[in-house]
Amino acid sequence: DTGVSQDPRHKITKRGQNVTFRCDPISEHNRLYWYRQTLGQGPEFLTYFQNEAQLEKSRLLSDRFSAERPKGSFSTLEIQRTEQGDSAMYLCASSHWDSSYEQYFGPGTRLTVT
Amino acid sequence: DQQVKQNSPSLSVQEGRISILNCDYTNSMFDYFLWYKKYPAEGPTFLISISSIKDKNEDGRFTVFLNKSAKHLSLHIVPSQPGDSAVYFCAASNHVDDYKLSFGAGTTVTVRA
Repeated sequence: DTGVSQDPRHKITKRGQNVTFRCDPISEHNRLYWYRQTLGQGPEFLTYFQNEAQLEKSRLLSDRFSAERPKGSFSTLEIQRTEQGDSAMYLCASSHWDSSYEQYFGPGTRLTVT
Repeated sequence: DQQVKQNSPSLSVQEGRISILNCDYTNSMFDYFLWYKKYPAEGPTFLISISSIKDKNEDGRFTVFLNKSAKHLSLHIVPSQPGDSAVYFCAASNHVDDYKLSFGAGTTVTVRA
């Protein structure tokens, strides 16, 4: 049984660089969500996909952020021209279409922008 | 705006006793509520959930109570065990919003031996 996986687990980058994270959901799950968590806060919704369609983006997701799910399986989240304020834990979650209310999270990618 | 609030940032409880975690919400459209447990450097792990049509759901040592009129839910863990030491997040969603989760800030539980 494989759960949600994310890669890399940790990323340290310099301000202004681009970074890309990957999420592999549970195989039969058709919904995939991205959240961001900063220190002392709960996760905040960023965007989500149903199959390959990106259905909603939060206002937290600036133009520097883009997410894709090209074949309805894995997803990538790219941040261009990173800023120190982008430092956070980026979490991916997936759910099945008939139980969308229960989301299962991956281990997250910890991004540090120096 | 913070639609889900966990007003107690921390809770310390003795092993074997009951842990009670509280959560308040403001959005009356929420129709599904979940509790997640999180260890350091790991993602949140789903613990237990409750639909708005119920007022109680039980799973082993974990029970969630929902009071819709007060917009309040609580998680009871009994008996508390050392492995329960973690951060607990309350989350809420509604089907109209495709179940996007709104989280509280979390409560850190420490179980003392």
